[in-house]
Amino acid sequence: NAGVTQTPKFRVLKTGQSMTLLCAQDMNHEYMYWYRQDPGMGLRLIHYSVGEGTTAKGEVPDGYNVSRLKKQNFLLGLESAAPSQTSVYFCASSYSRVGHHLNSNQPQHFGDGTRLSIL
Amino acid sequence: RKEVEQDPGPFNVPEGATVAFNCTYSNSASQSFFWYRQDCRKEPKLLMSVYSSGNEDGRFTAQLNRASQYISLLIRDSKLSDSATYLCVVNGYRAGSYQLTFGKGTKLSVIP
Repeated sequence: NAGVTQTPKFRVLKTGQSMTLLCAQDMNHEYMYWYRQDPGMGLRLIHYSVGEGTTAKGEVPDGYNVSRLKKQNFLLGLESAAPSQTSVYFCASSYSRVGHHLNSNQPQHFGDGTRLSIL
Repeated sequence: RKEVEQDPGPFNVPEGATVAFNCTYSNSASQSFFWYRQDCRKEPKLLMSVYSSGNEDGRFTAQLNRASQYISLLIRDSKLSDSATYLCVVNGYRAGSYQLTFGKGTKLSVIP
């Protein structure tokens, strides 16, 4: 059981290049999330999805786009990479959105991260 | 007050010690509370959910005080393997949806 898988694990880009990070989960989770983690900042939500075909903005969405064409996959795109986007990116999934009245304590399961450096 | 605030540490404790982490949150409408642990250069992993009545899992005890908007984690008989960063996580309803807010974490080093 793979859980949440992120690819690639490491990447170095030049400013202005584009790339897509892939997140795949095999737990049949409805909800998926993309976070970035920077030193001294903690985890911050970029975008999230509450189901196939839906996406929504999180706390720091600028410069990123996402797509959820299949339930098991959540893609994060950088159209024109900037040095400020150098970070560790984590994908997560959960059975239901945390805080939903039916499942208020469902945790999120994280992938092992993508380290992205933009020069 | 910051949404989720934790003492960054580091906490350096000897093996066998008892250590307590505190966390405060600002959103009084928050409904779900968690402690995650994150090892160096690894992903966060759920340690335990936190319930109003308090809950225990082996050497770990979590407490929630809704009136004070305060969460705690107590680790008894610390092991070397407990060395990690502990993240306080709270959900809150904002901008039309529930979202998790992560504290910046408290780093724990258990020393032989």
